Amino acid sequence: GESVGLHLPTLSVQEGDNSIINCAYSNSASDYFIWYKQESGKGPQFIIDIRSNMDKRQGQRVTVLLNKTVKHLSLQIAATQPGDSAVYFCAEGDSWGKLQFGAGTQVVVTP
Amino acid sequence: EPEVTQTPSHQVTQMGQEVILRCVPISNHLYFYWYRQILGQKVEFLVSFYNNEISEKSEIFDDQFSVERPDGSNFTLKIRSTKLEDSAMYFCASTRTGGNEQFFGPGTRLTVL
Repeated sequence: GESVGLHLPTLSVQEGDNSIINCAYSNSASDYFIWYKQESGKGPQFIIDIRSNMDKRQGQRVTVLLNKTVKHLSLQIAATQPGDSAVYFCAEGDSWGKLQFGAGTQVVVTP
Repeated sequence: EPEVTQTPSHQVTQMGQEVILRCVPISNHLYFYWYRQILGQKVEFLVSFYNNEISEKSEIFDDQFSVERPDGSNFTLKIRSTKLEDSAMYFCASTRTGGNEQFFGPGTRLTVL
C-alpha cells in the first residue's frame, strides 16, 4: 500500500493578509528557481520563476525573492484569497528542465 | 487554453504486472517529463525527453522504467514489473523551450496491490 506521508509545515493566513512562504535550496549551480502551487487532487501549477542571476521578480500578486548567499527563496502573496489555499512547492531547475522539488508548505486561508 | 492530459486517472494493478501510463502533452511543446509523487511527499523527477531520446533520468528511473513517444501526440511511461513501492501519483509535464514553465497534467494515481 501507500506509505504514510511527511507532515507538511502549515502556514495559516487570514484572508486579505500577505503570505510569505520560505524555502531553502541546496544546489548553488541551479539555473533557475520556480514556485508551484498544488491543489488537492491536481498537478502542480506554475506560479512564478526567477533566474539565478536575479534577486527579485514580481508577478500578479506574487513576488519571489532569491538570496543566493544563504540559499534561500521566498514567495510573497499579496492580499491572500481563499483560492490561494494549496500546497506550495519551490523547485530548482537545470538547463534541461529537470526540476527538483522541495518538501512543500501547506497554506490555509481563513476567513 | 491548451493543457496536458493523462490517462487513466487511476490505475490499479497487481505486483509484477506491466503498466503503461499515457500522456498527451501540449501540441507545440518539445520537451517532456515524468515525475512521481508518493502520497503526502514531494514531487520527484523521473525522466526528461527531448528529440526522441532521454536527456536526463533520476536514480528512480531504473531498467524497469521506459518512455516512448510512439506518435506525434502521445508520451508514455511503462513500468515493466510493478512493485508495491511504485504506488504513487505520476505526473507528465511538457514545455516548449525546455525551460522553467512546465505544464503539468492532472496525474495518474497508480496503486500496486
